[in-house]
Amino acid sequence: NAGVTQTPKFQVLKTGQSMTLQCAQDMNHEYMSWYRQDPGMGLRLIHYSVGAGITDQGEVPNGYNVSRSTTEDFPLRLLSAAPSQTSVYFCASSTRVDGRSYNEQFFGPGTRLTVL
Amino acid sequence: GQSLEQPSEVTAVEGAIVQINCTYQTSGFYGLSWYQQHDGGAPTFLSYNGLDGLEETGRFSSFLSRSDSYGYLLLQELQMKDSASYFCRCGGGKLIFGQGTELSVKP
Repeated sequence: NAGVTQTPKFQVLKTGQSMTLQCAQDMNHEYMSWYRQDPGMGLRLIHYSVGAGITDQGEVPNGYNVSRSTTEDFPLRLLSAAPSQTSVYFCASSTRVDGRSYNEQFFGPGTRLTVL
Repeated sequence: GQSLEQPSEVTAVEGAIVQINCTYQTSGFYGLSWYQQHDGGAPTFLSYNGLDGLEETGRFSSFLSRSDSYGYLLLQELQMKDSASYFCRCGGGKLIFGQGTELSVKP
């Protein structure tokens, strides 16, 4: 199993450009999420999905769109990039174990995004 | 809403024991998890507490008190490789992390 994969690893954008960060998982996990991490700010939830066709907003959703057409893929779209979106973006997936919470999340390697 | 509070940094020496605390506020509680992150890499899962009490996994233990909305991660026999950031996390669908505790282990 490849686990959670993210592409690209690095990206530089100019202000106003749009792009899609790709995330895929091969563990058949129903739950997927996107986080951004800025220095000293921890991991902040952008959007999440509890299954194909279902998405919801996290803590910092403005400026980002998501869709979940398949179980495997959960792309994150930046509509019009701004310097404030310079960050490291992590995708994660999870599944309920024995009816409990999503106790363990599996993270991808991250995408380092710089917006000039 | 949900929020988690943890110390920003902790320093300890090799071989010692260190405790990282986490207090949380959440409208619905589904358990407290702990994650480790080295040098900005992918966070990795360490431990989960769904019920009150202590969970032990090797040198790491995690404790939860739901009545106090409080938990901690206990690291024993500290090694240099334990220098990392540690995050507590809670939530049901909306999984929220604390801001992280940077642990520095000194020789």
